[in-house]
Amino acid sequence: AQSVTQPDIHITVSEGASLELRCNYSYGATPYLFWYVQSPGQGLQLLLKYFSGDTLVQGIKGFEAEFKRSQSSFNLRKPSVHWSDAAEYFCAVGRLRRGSTLGRLYFGRGTQLTVWP
Amino acid sequence: NAGVTQTPKFQVLKTGQSMTLQCAQDMNHEYMSWYRQDPGMGLRLIHYSVGAGITDQGEVPNGYNVSRSTTEDFPLRLLSAAPSQTSVYFCASGNIYGYTFGSGTRLTVV
Repeated sequence: AQSVTQPDIHITVSEGASLELRCNYSYGATPYLFWYVQSPGQGLQLLLKYFSGDTLVQGIKGFEAEFKRSQSSFNLRKPSVHWSDAAEYFCAVGRLRRGSTLGRLYFGRGTQLTVWP
Repeated sequence: NAGVTQTPKFQVLKTGQSMTLQCAQDMNHEYMSWYRQDPGMGLRLIHYSVGAGITDQGEVPNGYNVSRSTTEDFPLRLLSAAPSQTSVYFCASGNIYGYTFGSGTRLTVV
């Protein structure tokens, strides 16, 4: 069965510190992988995505993520966190191809990031 | 280019009432989905569609109905509102490159 696990419900870091948010997935084939960010009271914004090729992908706002097939992981990283990065982060997986059971994303439960000044 | 437009942004319903949450996209996306977001539960898929005339159930479809007669619109109908349906609802549209989300509808059922 398809599933996404974000092991950390809440992470707190100091401004300027590095950040890594974990994401593990279970999927029958090599999935497409996504990270979204949600600020309070807002919708979800796409940070980055991986489909194929280079396993290290760059996204917006200075974020990057690395796909590790052997570990079924897609962890999100940022070298230096800014106070404005405080938000909730969601990992998602899917296989967006035409079909009756495809075309949907499976989401993790999210990781809430708090940034101390 | 408006993206994904959800209306209304806020709604209060009485138990037993019915209503429709509207969702429209102008990006010619083939995929559309409805999610509900509750504290600590992440995003749970209610229904989704891979094209006009094609819909399927997600994880929590009970009490909700959808149809997709056009590429642009994907309304979500609450048949008989219950307090357990108090939530924030997100519509999303996408293609093989990913999904774009609307800004959400906050629904309270009293």
